[in-house]
Amino acid sequence: DAKTTQPNSMESNEEEPVHLPCNHSTISGTDYIHWYRQLPSQGPEYVIHGLTSNVNNRMASLAIAEDRKSSTLILHRATLRDAAVYYCILRGGSNYKLTFGKGTLLTVNP
Amino acid sequence: NAGVMQNPRHLVRRRGQEARLRCSPMKGHSHVYWYRQLPEEGLKFMVYLQKENIIDESGMPKERFSAEFPKEGPSILRIQQVVRGDSAAYFCASSPLAGDTDTQYFGPGTRLTVL
Repeated sequence: DAKTTQPNSMESNEEEPVHLPCNHSTISGTDYIHWYRQLPSQGPEYVIHGLTSNVNNRMASLAIAEDRKSSTLILHRATLRDAAVYYCILRGGSNYKLTFGKGTLLTVNP
Repeated sequence: NAGVMQNPRHLVRRRGQEARLRCSPMKGHSHVYWYRQLPEEGLKFMVYLQKENIIDESGMPKERFSAEFPKEGPSILRIQQVVRGDSAAYFCASSPLAGDTDTQYFGPGTRLTVL
């Protein structure tokens, strides 16, 4: 599986936007970029995924670089409930496995 | 539509006992995955099952661990003769299909403590 690199931790203030980066320089042309998050003491939760174009849903936006070697998960207005570990995961070739790295621990300050 | 259900949520076993972890997938989902999260570590894939079939068990330890997903009833992850190193959170996920764009929906996990 192609490797992703994320900062260990980030901090944000409530109601401010948060940009969570992910580097994936070895991504292949068929790899989708997925984001999951894990709130404390809970199972992971799907956030968003994309291939080439930027994507928006009710939870977040995903901005994908033109060369696809990096992407950014954008939370438009962070809330305390968004405090979690965020995982950037590549999936391709009909790969059903989710390969979790260490992710980014997001702290949201009131 | 109820989410993925796992029980028990917490399980305490003494060394040498058996642990049985249950997972009921979301309605209409026939693909089940088990992941393990050891303390201070990331989630690791263990096994992928479809109804009555094990598709991929490459992440599951060869000894003491087994998984099943019968035609009727929940998926079961069984750990025989548990050891302290088995203490972890075990998460089950399900999906309607198993492609690389298909979302996996996770349960709340079973936290196993081995004394």
